[in-house]
Amino acid sequence: KQEVTQIPAALSVPEGENLVLNCSFTDSAIYNLQWFRQDPGKGLTSLLLIQSSQREQTSGRLNASLDKSSGRSTLYIAASQPGDSATYLCAVVRGGADGLTFGKGTHLIIQP
Amino acid sequence: NAGVMQNPRHLVRRRGQEARLRCSPMKGHSHVYWYRQLPEEGLKFMVYLQKENIIDESGMPKERFSAEFPKEGPSILRIQQVVRGDSAAYFCASSPTQPSYNEQFFGPGTRLTVL
Repeated sequence: KQEVTQIPAALSVPEGENLVLNCSFTDSAIYNLQWFRQDPGKGLTSLLLIQSSQREQTSGRLNASLDKSSGRSTLYIAASQPGDSATYLCAVVRGGADGLTFGKGTHLIIQP
Repeated sequence: NAGVMQNPRHLVRRRGQEARLRCSPMKGHSHVYWYRQLPEEGLKFMVYLQKENIIDESGMPKERFSAEFPKEGPSILRIQQVVRGDSAAYFCASSPTQPSYNEQFFGPGTRLTVL
């Protein structure tokens, strides 16, 4: 059974810092990995999707890497801003049309 | 292109009543997934549907819960005889007709409160 763990569970940093969020998964036989952000009381916004054959994806100040063999992914946020405050979720999928398995998220607070 | 739409956004039911949650996928998407987020817990997969077919319901409780995605109209998640433990946020996601990359796009969720 696939399990996804995100570390740290919570993180508070001053504005402007670069930071790294970690995600690990127990079964390396994944199809892809997706990073989301969730704002309080809201739905999920897809940030980045990494296919199992890829090693990283970039979008603006965000960069996600994937090391499938070791079961790890990191989300790098450059020059953090207060608007980045949210819960960041990592999710993996086993097959092309399967449901996602989520971690519990990292609750991020960027202090102005 | 409108995103995934869910209604109602908030739903209050008394114990024993029925709850019906609706999800309209993004235009051009024919795959729908339902997830549940219990308080202080992560999102859990419930069921995956294509038009008129349930593909995977391995995450759905065996009793009281059912889902459908008819040929016309939205997908419906139905909870019969609700109990307090059903209080949660229910999210719907959709992916394109050919989910070769399976990027899932989520709706805003329905927050169910059972009194």
